[in-house]
Amino acid sequence: NAGVTQTPKFQVLKTGQSMTLQCAQDMNHNSMYWYRQDPGMGLRLIYYSASEGTTDKGEVPNGYNVSRLNKREFSLRLESAAPSQTSVYFCASSEIPQGGYTFGSGTRLTVV
Amino acid sequence: GDSVTQMEGPVTLSEEAFLTINCTYTATGYPSLFWYVQYPGEGLQLLLKATKADDKGSNKGFEATYRKETTSFHLEKGSVQVSDSAVYFCALVERDSNYQLIWGAGTKLIIKP
Repeated sequence: NAGVTQTPKFQVLKTGQSMTLQCAQDMNHNSMYWYRQDPGMGLRLIYYSASEGTTDKGEVPNGYNVSRLNKREFSLRLESAAPSQTSVYFCASSEIPQGGYTFGSGTRLTVV
Repeated sequence: GDSVTQMEGPVTLSEEAFLTINCTYTATGYPSLFWYVQYPGEGLQLLLKATKADDKGSNKGFEATYRKETTSFHLEKGSVQVSDSAVYFCALVERDSNYQLIWGAGTKLIIKP
């Protein structure tokens, strides 16, 4: 009964380094999402995948890329990390958006 | 465009007090409405939802009624506990859309013993 699993839970990067945040869901959901959460800014959508094989930009896509590897997995890549990308990142999935989302527990990323 | 407005926090109450967190929305169609809760250090959890006008969502003692006439979905609980301290998010999604949820800014709730 894992739901949405994110790895890693914590990460510290130096400016310019790259990394990939992993997300996997075991609920056979069609849609998956990546959000960032910053103090006072609420949740902001980075990218989403409405179904396997498709990805679309959200509100704040600059500096990120995504891959919908299969129906279960949706990864987020930072090619050249910047201090402005210090945030908590959440992955979520849904069968249909109207049914509500299931969230992972988050990745706390610090870029120094 | 669609939007969700929540009352600003933090909201500070004593244990066993009555809770209301206001949420109003603007939408072009017929949205589904949600309340999510985020406990400290955790991800968001779906608390309750309503998919059409006059529906009442309920869970863990929390309730919210979909009021189309006032475009509102206020969250209520009759007697709060310290364990209810969290951030609460109101959100909507249009019924005929495959787009993402539209989120409110969140309201921090602090319950004092």
